[in-house]
Amino acid sequence: DVKVTQSSRYLVKRTGEKVFLECVQDMDHENMFWYRQDPGLGLRLIYFSYDVKMKEKGDIPEGYSVSREKKERFSLILESASTNQTSMYLCASSGLAGGQDTQYFGPGTRLTVL
Amino acid sequence: QQQVKQSPQSLIVQKGGISIINCAYENTAFDYFPWYQQFPGKGPALLIAIRPDVSEKKEGRFTISFNKSAKQFSLHIMDSQPGDSATYFCAAKGVAGNKLTFGGGTRVLVKP
Repeated sequence: DVKVTQSSRYLVKRTGEKVFLECVQDMDHENMFWYRQDPGLGLRLIYFSYDVKMKEKGDIPEGYSVSREKKERFSLILESASTNQTSMYLCASSGLAGGQDTQYFGPGTRLTVL
Repeated sequence: QQQVKQSPQSLIVQKGGISIINCAYENTAFDYFPWYQQFPGKGPALLIAIRPDVSEKKEGRFTISFNKSAKQFSLHIMDSQPGDSATYFCAAKGVAGNKLTFGGGTRVLVKP
């Protein structure tokens, strides 16, 4: 079974703090993704990575950065957290399943910025 | 602006009834349309998916209907069960790359 783990289920931070969200996958997948999930807006892609040290901006990269130093680990960084970054953050990795690239998600980190 | 629009936002259905969720897209370059199911406290998981060369795909009680000319696709949950209560997301992927574009989600509640 594919396993994607995220370092925290719940996190509370203060405005202006630097926040690190960690994600680890155990399936040797090339691709990894960070989304945020907000009611009514679905999942919106923040950043993704298709290889170690490679990254591409998604649809809403502003205020975020990422790091991928090892294949299995993809980190999301909020340089200076703001209240509008309060959200559920989901990490995913993707690999072939049934002939199609399939994304597998972690359980999510609910971040509250006060 | 959402490239994949999903409706309704929420749905209540009686046990044994049919749940129907609709999605519409604009980008004709999309060529793969998965549905994801998310239970509370869990990440989304792939439920069923379709390519535009077929008009329908069925897996158990779950069916995707696809209308390429209308750029619409829908998920039907037949004989809905309380265990189907979850949030459902439609998504679309283009020919190039591995990025998924998600709809806004539908929260389904199946009453016993």
